[in-house]
Amino acid sequence: GAVVSQHPSWVICKSGTSVKIECRSLDFQATTMFWYRQFPKQSLMLMATSNEGSKATYEQGVEKDKFLINHASLTLSTLTVTSAHPEDSSFYICSARPPIGGRVEKLFFGSGTQLSVL
Amino acid sequence: GDSVTQMEGPVTLSEEAFLTINCTYTATGYPSLFWYVQYPGEGLQLLLKATKADDKGSNKGFEATYRKETTSFHLEKGSVQVSDSAVYFCALRGTGGGNKLTFGTGTQLKVEL
Repeated sequence: GAVVSQHPSWVICKSGTSVKIECRSLDFQATTMFWYRQFPKQSLMLMATSNEGSKATYEQGVEKDKFLINHASLTLSTLTVTSAHPEDSSFYICSARPPIGGRVEKLFFGSGTQLSVL
Repeated sequence: GDSVTQMEGPVTLSEEAFLTINCTYTATGYPSLFWYVQYPGEGLQLLLKATKADDKGSNKGFEATYRKETTSFHLEKGSVQVSDSAVYFCALRGTGGGNKLTFGTGTQLKVEL
């Protein structure tokens, strides 16, 4: 089946630094990718919807200037956490939707990135 | 807004035991309901789904029935295997349109010999 590769799987960084997470669709072109975040013991929450070649759409309460999303090609979307702080420590997951027959539940998910900000 | 509540884990079972992971939801109208599974080191995968009341989704020996009266979609399996060890997420897609999935917290299942 289709595979989505997410990198890195875990990252530790110092407070104030920026961290970039990559999400690649390996065997299909994804016009739409989604970014989720999960805090401990909380639900997986949609942060933003990323469309190739256009600006991402952010969910209410998600700071677009802090969580920069770039979807410059049909196989790559990146999430950059700028000036990370300890409260940004979380599990981040991306998903991609194939362009044909792309009902929302037929998403392909990355394996996630655990971010720890010291 | 829409929400999904599922039981906290981890759930630890012996092989061949019966599994139930509870999931209840809050949504307007008639949402579609899903269970996703995430095996270690892999991405979430759709396990099963149900799109209307009384529908039963099933896959790989797992089942879940869409119960409108109790707003529930509990996941069950009659005899678990070690290979079923994973994190299970309950989710819904609301009737408000769009492409948004609302997930629960996930429940980790550990199956031991």
